[in-house]
Amino acid sequence: DTEVTQTPKHLVMGMTNKKSLKCEQHMGHRAMYWYKQKAKKPPELMFVYSYEKLSINESVPSRFSPECPNSSLLNLHLHALQPEDSALYLCASSQHPGQPVPHTGELFFGEGSRLTVL
Amino acid sequence: EDQVTQSPEALRLQEGESSSLNCSYTVSGLRGLFWYRQDPGKGPEFLFTLYSAGEEKEKERLKATLTKKESFLHITAPKPEDSATYLCAVQAQTDSWGKLQFGAGTQVVVTP
Repeated sequence: DTEVTQTPKHLVMGMTNKKSLKCEQHMGHRAMYWYKQKAKKPPELMFVYSYEKLSINESVPSRFSPECPNSSLLNLHLHALQPEDSALYLCASSQHPGQPVPHTGELFFGEGSRLTVL
Repeated sequence: EDQVTQSPEALRLQEGESSSLNCSYTVSGLRGLFWYRQDPGKGPEFLFTLYSAGEEKEKERLKATLTKKESFLHITAPKPEDSATYLCAVQAQTDSWGKLQFGAGTQVVVTP
């Protein structure tokens, strides 16, 4: 069983809807990530939060809005999406041994939220 | 720009038929190379981290090795439950955030 929990597992929304994806981890990890994965493709990084602060935004359109309310929670707010945004959205977390050692690439992924935009 | 190329794209094996997957990478200084396993419709599952050329890691029927330009994932006497897509990813020396560049993956099917 994964220690990163994502809800909902499936989401269908129209282009005018507003919805949110949620992610929770209780491993004490201080970095959290959103990845997007299309069918038969590798995961693509969207956002990185480190110590609840947004550290990386990979030029993601503003219709995707991340939020990190605390060290265990990560949200992705969705608004005015396009059909091409349909994908598996993956949340992940990783340890941070502490400065100056950087965040490790050993990521723990959730099972993902399958998003379909009509 | 960092690049990760995996081959073959797909691999079909008989149960017990050992084989190797390849991951070639180009990165401006390697902090780490990572192998993940992904089952259909699920998130990737971390398998191994390799940091320097010559390093090897093993877990059950899987063994990962690293050279200066590529990594291999050897599957010894595979079982049907080893069927999955295996992803390779690199973290550059300059990265501080756990940012990974993934390869496209090798889809492995093991038949009884």
